[in-house]
Amino acid sequence: QQQVKQSPQSLIVQKGGIPIINCAYENTAFDYFPWYQQFPGKGPALLIAIRPDVSEKKEGRFTISFNKSAKQFSLHIMDSQPGDSATYFCAASAGRGGSEKLVFGKGTKLTVNP
Amino acid sequence: DAGITQSPRHKVTETGTPVTLRCHQTENHRYMYWYRQDPGHGLRLIHYSYGVKDTDKGEVSDGYSVSRSKTEDFLLTLESATSSQTSVYFCAISLTGTYEQYFGPGTRLTVT
Repeated sequence: QQQVKQSPQSLIVQKGGIPIINCAYENTAFDYFPWYQQFPGKGPALLIAIRPDVSEKKEGRFTISFNKSAKQFSLHIMDSQPGDSATYFCAASAGRGGSEKLVFGKGTKLTVNP
Repeated sequence: DAGITQSPRHKVTETGTPVTLRCHQTENHRYMYWYRQDPGHGLRLIHYSYGVKDTDKGEVSDGYSVSRSKTEDFLLTLESATSSQTSVYFCAISLTGTYEQYFGPGTRLTVT
C-alpha cells in the first residue's frame, strides 16, 4: 500500500523554467511533509518541509504548496538551474517530534537543461 | 551530514552469508533509522531506534535485525543475505523534539 503517491517520475525543463512535482497522501493523520533532494551517490538531503497549518512555505527558490482538503502538496522550483538536476522525494509522517517514521514517495528525477 | 558515517560504503557478498552494516553518529541523537533505497520504490524504513536497546520494526523488516548498545552506533544485520537484499542502505537520525531527519552517505550492498 503506497501511502504517498508522487508524480511525475521524471521531468525535464529548460534553465529558468519552473518544475512542479506533486504528491498526494491518504492518511489524514500525517502532519509533517518534507521534501528531500538527492544527487547521485549521495544521501537524501532535507530541502524544505511544511506542516498542515499553512498553505505555502518558501525557502529561497523552493516553494511548497499544501492543499489539506485535497490531501495534496507540491514542490515548485523557481528559476531552475542545471545544478538543481537531482532526484526529489516527498515524504510524510505522523507522530510526535523525534520518533517520526517517514513514508516516502517513489521520487522524481529532474533534469534542468542549460 | 549531521555527523553520520556509515561503514562499509560498498560491499559485495555472497548469498547466505551474514552481513553487518554500521551507522555511527557523533552528536548524541536519540533517534536513528535504517532505510533501504531501490529503483522505483523510493526509501523504505527497515528498523528504527528510539534509544539504547530500544528498537522497533519498520515497513520492510523481514530478514533484518538491528542492535543499539551505545547511543552512537546503530547496527543493521542481514543474518543470511539474499539477492533481494541488494540495495543501497541509508542510516538517518532525527533531532530530538523535531520532525527533521538527516541521512548518512549510504552503503551500497550487492548480494551475488
